[in-house]
Amino acid sequence: DAGVIQSPRHEVTEMGQEVTLRCKPISGHDYLFWYRQTMMRGLELLIYFNNNVPIDDSGMPEDRFSAKMPNASFSTLKIQPSEPRDSAVYFCASRASAGGYGYTFGSGTRLTVV
Amino acid sequence: DQQVKQNSPSLSVQEGRISILNCDYTNSMFDYFLWYKKYPAEGPTFLISISSIKDKNEDGRFTVFLNKSAKHLSLHIVPSQPGDSAVYFCAARTGANSKLTFGKGITLSVRP
Repeated sequence: DAGVIQSPRHEVTEMGQEVTLRCKPISGHDYLFWYRQTMMRGLELLIYFNNNVPIDDSGMPEDRFSAKMPNASFSTLKIQPSEPRDSAVYFCASRASAGGYGYTFGSGTRLTVV
Repeated sequence: DQQVKQNSPSLSVQEGRISILNCDYTNSMFDYFLWYKKYPAEGPTFLISISSIKDKNEDGRFTVFLNKSAKHLSLHIVPSQPGDSAVYFCAARTGANSKLTFGKGITLSVRP
């Protein structure tokens, strides 16, 4: 298995532009999580899905952030419009509800908004 | 409001010595605790975990201790190796299918 795949690895964009981050979870995993890592807040959960349905989006900072999971093998996190304070590393993780406790993380997308 | 706290941002130890990484939590409903390790430019990877019904779990050089009354857990690495240099995240959950709440992480540096 290739693990959790995120794209792009790096994104540099100008303030005000739309940014879309992508994630392919591990096949068979029914939970998908989006986390953001910053120095100030560490790893914070933005939103998570179970069987493609959003369960908890209380961590989404503002209406500028949105996430979708149209099918079991793909999810997107969109920021529109982007702001410099959105600069962070965004991680996607997945896990299976049956067995195991931990998540498998992707390598992350480093977003820089200038 | 940080429910999982890693108050020391960094730790430096000599190769061969013990590394002790600490974590405190505030939510008494947490039933399972995990440690993740993260290298630069990679995602966090699972290291070791412990159920709230236990007070110790050991896996090779890594041991996690849980003190429920103090709401405190610690990760011991013995002996420490340069390859252990990474960011370590403490995490906790409140049920089998609940989300993981992470601390801010601690950067461990093991000096040769």
